[in-house]
Amino acid sequence: DTGVSQDPRHKITKRGQNVTFRCDPISEHNRLYWYRQTLGQGPEFLTYFQNEAQLEKSRLLSDRFSAERPKGSFSTLEIQRTEQGDSAMYLCASSPRMMAYEQYFGPGTRLTVT
Amino acid sequence: GESVGLHLPTLSVQEGDNSIINCAYSNSASDYFIWYKQESGKGPQFIIDIRSNMDKRQGQRVTVLLNKTVKHLSLQIAATQPGDSAVYFCAEPPGADNQGGKLIFGQGTELSVKP
Repeated sequence: DTGVSQDPRHKITKRGQNVTFRCDPISEHNRLYWYRQTLGQGPEFLTYFQNEAQLEKSRLLSDRFSAERPKGSFSTLEIQRTEQGDSAMYLCASSPRMMAYEQYFGPGTRLTVT
Repeated sequence: GESVGLHLPTLSVQEGDNSIINCAYSNSASDYFIWYKQESGKGPQFIIDIRSNMDKRQGQRVTVLLNKTVKHLSLQIAATQPGDSAVYFCAEPPGADNQGGKLIFGQGTELSVKP
């Protein structure tokens, strides 16, 4: 399968714990995006990378959130001291160099904070 | 500020009928729009896009119409099939000069196809 993959698919954690999600983009895509989606809503942009550089972060991305893409390939999104409001689907997408808006999404990681 | 929104949250159609999903936007400077399809348990899937210098663009069984005068676009699906059942989102970049790839999504319309 050559699509975008995300791991884990589901994560249940207690409030206050740290969680980390991984995204593996399509191999030839240089751009990688993180979005958050709550039930009944469209995805909300969090941040994006061009190769290993993080070029934009949303105001939604509080200090508890950090994303990395150390080698320009896979990316991780970490949430520290999780809160119940962090419960959502976290989507990763990638796009090719010359077609930034043709984004290919992964299946998402569903986070539930209890 | 710019926003992307949808008129109808749900749409139910009979298999074989045509479906029309609508989307309104407020930023008159918007120059690019995309439709995504999201099936249950999956991430959004790119369907079709349109630039503001076009009024209409056709794909396989789908057509997107853009009316810049009233800031409205629609997605038409011909001969709707059960596999078309999903939530459909319109999306746009936040500004005409945005080059980063950030997209703003509308709320979505759930399309339900009755056999």
